[in-house]
Amino acid sequence: SQQGEEDPQALSIQEGENATMNCSYKTSINNLQWYRQNSGRGLVHLILIRSNEREKHSGRLRVTLDTSKKSSSLLITASRAADTASYFCATDASGSNYKLTFGKGTLLTVNP
Amino acid sequence: KAGVTQTPRYLIKTRGQQVTLSCSPISGHRSVSWYQQTPGQGLQFLFEYFSETQRNKGNFPGRFSGRQFSNSRSEMNVSTLELGDSALYLCASSPRLTSYNEQFFGPGTRLTVL
Repeated sequence: SQQGEEDPQALSIQEGENATMNCSYKTSINNLQWYRQNSGRGLVHLILIRSNEREKHSGRLRVTLDTSKKSSSLLITASRAADTASYFCATDASGSNYKLTFGKGTLLTVNP
Repeated sequence: KAGVTQTPRYLIKTRGQQVTLSCSPISGHRSVSWYQQTPGQGLQFLFEYFSETQRNKGNFPGRFSGRQFSNSRSEMNVSTLELGDSALYLCASSPRLTSYNEQFFGPGTRLTVL
């Protein structure tokens, strides 16, 4: 089964609004990462948060991590049409030995 | 630095054939991972190589194999292709300078099995 599960599966918003995506996972992790994928292309790394961090910012992105609830959220502020993409969380699980486990992603559509 | 490159970008094969996909990592990156992406199963880990050694393998049949060369370039091979092997195959490289596992992905090879 997938380690990470994103919620919602799809999200449609207007330009300028904020978008929040959630990710839940099942086991202990070293870190959790978020990636973006545009229309069936390669994934782009957005942000990595370590298990001992609670919040991290990068530009318009804000990621939180709650290891007690085994969950993370990605907030994109002031969204743009160019943010339209699929967003995946990926976990580097403790003892995973050099692999990431991805969720099935959230499809974000930002309408102009 | 140039990004991760994958060749070919698109491939059409028929059932029973075999296929070899190639991946060139970012210069200096010694770890290469492969993932299969399908609409039904999402992104699934295939295997990871570091300095020509496979360090981890996902839950795929033995028809899926890979290798890494001394220059860190990697290939994966799928033998006796099945319809269900149609997917986007993604390669990712990582510097492995720390334990943090940030991956840099290539554009993928779209494999269609007829």
